[in-house]
Amino acid sequence: QKEVEQNSGPLSVPEGAIASLNCTYSDRGSQSFFWYRQYSGKSPELIMSIYSNGDKEDGRFTAQLNKASQYVSLLIRDSQPSDSATYLCAVNRPGTASKLTFGTGTRLQVTL
Amino acid sequence: GAVVSQHPSRVICKSGTSVKIECRSLDFQATTMFWYRQFPKQSLMLMATSNEGSKATYEQGVEKDKFLINHASLTLSTLTVTSAHPEDSSFYICSARAVEDTLHFGDGTRLSIL
Repeated sequence: QKEVEQNSGPLSVPEGAIASLNCTYSDRGSQSFFWYRQYSGKSPELIMSIYSNGDKEDGRFTAQLNKASQYVSLLIRDSQPSDSATYLCAVNRPGTASKLTFGTGTRLQVTL
Repeated sequence: GAVVSQHPSRVICKSGTSVKIECRSLDFQATTMFWYRQFPKQSLMLMATSNEGSKATYEQGVEKDKFLINHASLTLSTLTVTSAHPEDSSFYICSARAVEDTLHFGDGTRLSIL
């Protein structure tokens, strides 16, 4: 089992729709969870961080965490073509604050 | 603007060449920086943790004599790929840890070994 699993996609959604991206992780000791957006050939940029169970909203983005199910998701409302990118889920390695394990990413395509 | 500068952005060189990549934190001091490698369509894989003033710690399977890391100041870490071969061709990305454990990523270096 991979430490951080994501569906590779592509996930295709029409402009204006809600995009739902999912991630599961294997180590229950992880406490910090992150969503990064990565455009082709570029470095990841942080979209959201979440540390507690429940929802966290920031603009069009909502992160959801369920530690019991070892599941974290990212919702993007009113999807725009500029949201088309690969979204990486990352979790901290237990016992460390900044060592992150990344998933392979989900490629999102927002169509006109 | 960018808070972590990584240079060069792209390198193409012959097999056997050693290549140095720099990672600078521009407006903060970073006692810890991380080096990642990303192969096409794969995720970022942590290679090593660079600690200012001490030896880097390498992840399992990463050759420390192949990938030399130096973190001589609070704003600069360097990764040198020694005697690079085609299989070392990859996208190398650094990140620097700022206050409250926030990570800032560099723009990456695309290394192509012919």
